[in-house]
Amino acid sequence: IQMTQSPSSLSASVGDRVTISCRTSQRISDYLNWYQQKPGKAPKLLIYAASTLQSGVPSRFSGSGSGTDFTLTISNVQPEDFGSYFCQESVSNGYTFGRGTKLEIK
Amino acid sequence: EVQLVESGGGLVQPGGSRRLSCIGSGFTFSTSWMSWVRQAPGKGLEWVANIKQEGSETNYADSVKGRFIISRDNTNNSLFLQMNSLRAEDTAVYYCAREDQVTTRPSYYYYVLAVWGQGTTVTVSS
Repeated sequence: IQMTQSPSSLSASVGDRVTISCRTSQRISDYLNWYQQKPGKAPKLLIYAASTLQSGVPSRFSGSGSGTDFTLTISNVQPEDFGSYFCQESVSNGYTFGRGTKLEIK
Repeated sequence: EVQLVESGGGLVQPGGSRRLSCIGSGFTFSTSWMSWVRQAPGKGLEWVANIKQEGSETNYADSVKGRFIISRDNTNNSLFLQMNSLRAEDTAVYYCAREDQVTTRPSYYYYVLAVWGQGTTVTVSS
């Protein structure tokens, strides 16, 4: 399964709404997860099953989509949201990741 | 506290071997699928391999198939990655991760990489 994530980078101001897209080469229903990674740190699970928020993750994060097109939205971006975001499919025996989106806070 | 701690990284010559270890604590290690995920410098995440709870089933990325072997020792809450015939492109931070099965509604199960270690760095260079 090929994962196409866009954009590769973006810059946002505090309070902005940002969206990150992930497209898969095959239909995967809602077997799509999102992770956040801060520089020098391990990734952290944000959203699973395309739209379910992991426990403890702020409600400004949301996910949507099904089939081949998915979106991660951050409403009201906060300074601590900087870092990279990765989508990942979990339908196959090998978990393919998207190439990532680097979010910079202006 | 749930924790995964990797070790074993270092500098290896091309063609050489290295064994990575990961020790889990704060949870029942033997009941979890476990994965290795790597990240080359400045690059994205690449899933490497995973192993079923009792070790009876393993899966590998095509990029490491035939060269890497994943194994586990549930008695000692340990996960291993034996890396052979190493190449420059294997240079990366290697993370171990616990796979959790989660559900959003009856009969629908999803797998997530819910717990990650801090990573150990492998550099393949002469």
